[in-house]
Amino acid sequence: GENVEQHPSTLSVQEGDSAVIKCTYSDSASNYFPWYKQELGKRPQLIIDIRSNVGEKKDQRIAVTLNKTAKHFSLHITETQPEDSAVYFCAAMEYGNKLVFGAGTILRVKS
Amino acid sequence: GAVVSQHPSWVICKSGTSVKIECRSLDFQATTMFWYRQFPKQSLMLMATSNEGSKATYEQGVEKDKFLINHASLTLSTLTVTSAHPEDSSFYICSAQSSQGAFYGYTFGSGTRLTVV
Repeated sequence: GENVEQHPSTLSVQEGDSAVIKCTYSDSASNYFPWYKQELGKRPQLIIDIRSNVGEKKDQRIAVTLNKTAKHFSLHITETQPEDSAVYFCAAMEYGNKLVFGAGTILRVKS
Repeated sequence: GAVVSQHPSWVICKSGTSVKIECRSLDFQATTMFWYRQFPKQSLMLMATSNEGSKATYEQGVEKDKFLINHASLTLSTLTVTSAHPEDSSFYICSAQSSQGAFYGYTFGSGTRLTVV
């Protein structure tokens, strides 16, 4: 089955700086890669996603890049703000439409 | 947008009792429901997948007789934790998907914090 690795596990940045979180996946058949933001005790919130026929997608301060050959995708957050502090999860959709999640990254934005 | 209502949001139960968690899709038909468990400071781990009207498919290591899943209608799926023990204390969350038309993505419930004492 699919295996998703996510790095780093924690990331501290200064307000206004950029943050980058990277994930790799194992199943070359996976074709959908969402990123979720989760605050303590709450549901994961989809922040951006990308399909395998696209290399990059951007939504204001958030962007995702996908390298199918290398089987890795990354989340980029620019001009970070304190409210960006949360746990971020990457995921890959495997056979049966099941989402396999990465281990998560705790992002702390220091003001 | 698509909404999944999950209840209860939190529950405390005694060891040995059963707890039922409900997930309802409010404005779409959830043909598939995924049930996840999330331990503190860990990721979401898929427990089982259920399709409306069919038996659930459980992930390796998940006891089907302990975690009973019912998906009898297109708008309601339930997870019952039977004979709960303290090690079952966790955050349980459902995620619904509709197969109507193009791929719609996943809609998560708000989660249920289960504490077994």
